[in-house]
Amino acid sequence: QVQLQESGPGLVKPSQTLSLTCTVSGGSISSGSYYWSWIRQPAGKGLEWIGRIYTSGSTNYNPSLKSRVTISVDTSKNQFSLKLSSVTAADTAVYYCARVVGATVYMDVWGKGTTVTVSS
Amino acid sequence: SYVLTQPPSVSVAPGQTARITCGGNNIGSKSVHWYQQKPGQAPVLVVYDDSDRPSGIPERFSGSNSGNTATLTISRVEAGDEADYYCQVWDSSSDHFVVFGGGTKLTVL
Repeated sequence: QVQLQESGPGLVKPSQTLSLTCTVSGGSISSGSYYWSWIRQPAGKGLEWIGRIYTSGSTNYNPSLKSRVTISVDTSKNQFSLKLSSVTAADTAVYYCARVVGATVYMDVWGKGTTVTVSS
Repeated sequence: SYVLTQPPSVSVAPGQTARITCGGNNIGSKSVHWYQQKPGQAPVLVVYDDSDRPSGIPERFSGSNSGNTATLTISRVEAGDEADYYCQVWDSSSDHFVVFGGGTKLTVL
């Protein structure tokens, strides 16, 4: 059974770059026709999709974040990563990674999430 | 960009039926997915492709989608169903991206 685990710093200074990694276990990140995605959720608010990547490197990003986001994949480590540049307090949130299924695009496996706080 | 509209809250007594709506322009032409999120936990997929259920999700959870409204229906509601519910679609128009509804808090009275 595939499991996802987010990791990375819990505290990032304003204007710096937020970096998170999602490690996939219980299966190969390259197996099946899956995309891999990042989603975030500020405290007390709804879900916001950040973007997704295929193992070929093909990506799609939320237009509202596109200028600051880079998602990459390392198939040798069975991981994919998120970089969000020029962060502000508004980027404080719980960040989730998830597996994306199918042409209709839904997330069937989620990590537990990791809290990132942007503060000096 | 595409907008999904959900009621902020729905309340229902145990044993009754809860219906959570998700409105969007011609949403019936899209595939709608639903997630359940309990406090402090990651979302869980409960319905995909309008009306399909992942393994392990009770038959009490069902979905429909037509016109401008998709609906998640929870029959014989239990206390453990109290959670936030989010609808989601894939916007394949100009910018290809995932859109979530604002979420609905289901309260079991």
